[in-house]
Amino acid sequence: DIQMTQSPSSLSASVGDRVTITCRASQTISSFLSWYHQRPGKVPKLLIYDISRLRSEDPSRFSGSGSGTVFTLTISSLQPEDFGTYFCQQSYDTPYTFGQGTKLEIK
Amino acid sequence: EVQLVESGGGLFQPGRSLRLSCVASGFRFDDYAMHWVRQIPGKGLEWVSGMSWNSATKGYADSVKGRFTISRDNAKNSLYLQMNNLRTEDTAWYYCTKDILTYYGSGTYYDGWGQGTLVNVSS
Repeated sequence: DIQMTQSPSSLSASVGDRVTITCRASQTISSFLSWYHQRPGKVPKLLIYDISRLRSEDPSRFSGSGSGTVFTLTISSLQPEDFGTYFCQQSYDTPYTFGQGTKLEIK
Repeated sequence: EVQLVESGGGLFQPGRSLRLSCVASGFRFDDYAMHWVRQIPGKGLEWVSGMSWNSATKGYADSVKGRFTISRDNAKNSLYLQMNNLRTEDTAWYYCTKDILTYYGSGTYYDGWGQGTLVNVSS
């Protein structure tokens, strides 16, 4: 199975900060990498897919990048509604594994 | 608006069986692959199973292979997960998810999620 490892596991940042979360795959996964955002008590929501494709309804402060085995999610200017947990997932090969999550808290 | 409503969860003893159901609305169900994803309360996400729009291709996580069976009825806009020989480690919220793709395979992403149904396996 392809292992997905996120770092950090948790972080605390202030409104307006630039935040970066990293996801590392145990082998190359081509471009099949996505990011999901889950607020407490809510279901996950697709945020970015194919490494960097942002859904049209999501704000442009979110961006994704990377290649091969290392990928990043960046929030350019953190907003209060961005708190919660972020998960990366590879869909290159089954089982389609998720990272363990990064819990983002707003200071 | 995509709506997915799961049902069938509850408290079950190890070794028993159950079937989860998911009724879809707000999109053309038979145009998309569908999946089940589970989450232990307060923990991470695990992809469980997925199926193409026409049921031709499907796949399972190793942890459920041979025990769980995914199926769909496009005429009823419904997705199912037959869960046999339940184990305590199957305890989780089970989410029905809509793929952005028609086919089941690489590049699968979930742009619609139900609210989940909780399966609790305990003696």
